[in-house]
Amino acid sequence: NAGVTQTPKFQVLKTGQSMTLQCAQDMNHEYMSWYRQDPGMGLRLIHYSVGAGITDQGEVPNGYNVSRSTTEDFPLRLLSAAPSQTSVYFCASTLDRGKQDTQYFGPGTRLTVL
Amino acid sequence: GDSVTQMEGPVTLSEEAFLTINCTYTATGYPSLFWYVQYPGEGLQLLLKATKADDKGSNKGFEATYRKETTSFHLEKGSVQVSDSAVYFCALRDSSYKLIFGSGTRLLVRP
Repeated sequence: NAGVTQTPKFQVLKTGQSMTLQCAQDMNHEYMSWYRQDPGMGLRLIHYSVGAGITDQGEVPNGYNVSRSTTEDFPLRLLSAAPSQTSVYFCASTLDRGKQDTQYFGPGTRLTVL
Repeated sequence: GDSVTQMEGPVTLSEEAFLTINCTYTATGYPSLFWYVQYPGEGLQLLLKATKADDKGSNKGFEATYRKETTSFHLEKGSVQVSDSAVYFCALRDSSYKLIFGSGTRLLVRP
């Protein structure tokens, strides 16, 4: 198993550009989520999904869209990037939402918005 | 809402020193509590957990006890190694099953 994979590892955008951060898992996990990590603030939940076709907002959803067309993939879209979205983004998955303590995290994407 | 507060870092120790990283929480009900570790350039990994009051979680020489009376879950290790250098996050699972993280504490262990 590859676990949770994320691409790209690094990305630089200009303000107003759009892009998609990719996340995939091969463990047949139902629950997937996106976090952003900022200095001194820990991890904050952006969006999550409890299964294919079902998504919901987390703590900081503004400026981000998600979809879950398959169990394996959970892309995060930035429609119009802003400097405030400069952060490290982590995707995570777990078998079901009741087992969030055993979340598996991807290696992260470091995004810089100029 | 629920929240987690950790001591600010960095915490700098010499090898074989005793480690304590403080963590307190605010929550309704009785949440499960966790410590995650993030090594340089990697994602987070679950280090240990406790699901009810007075439970002690342990792993890799690290321990933490769920103290309901003080709403705390302090992380301890009797003798740290250089390889323990990482960022440590305290977290709780709220009533809707979401994980709420503290701000993280960076540990630097010198040879």
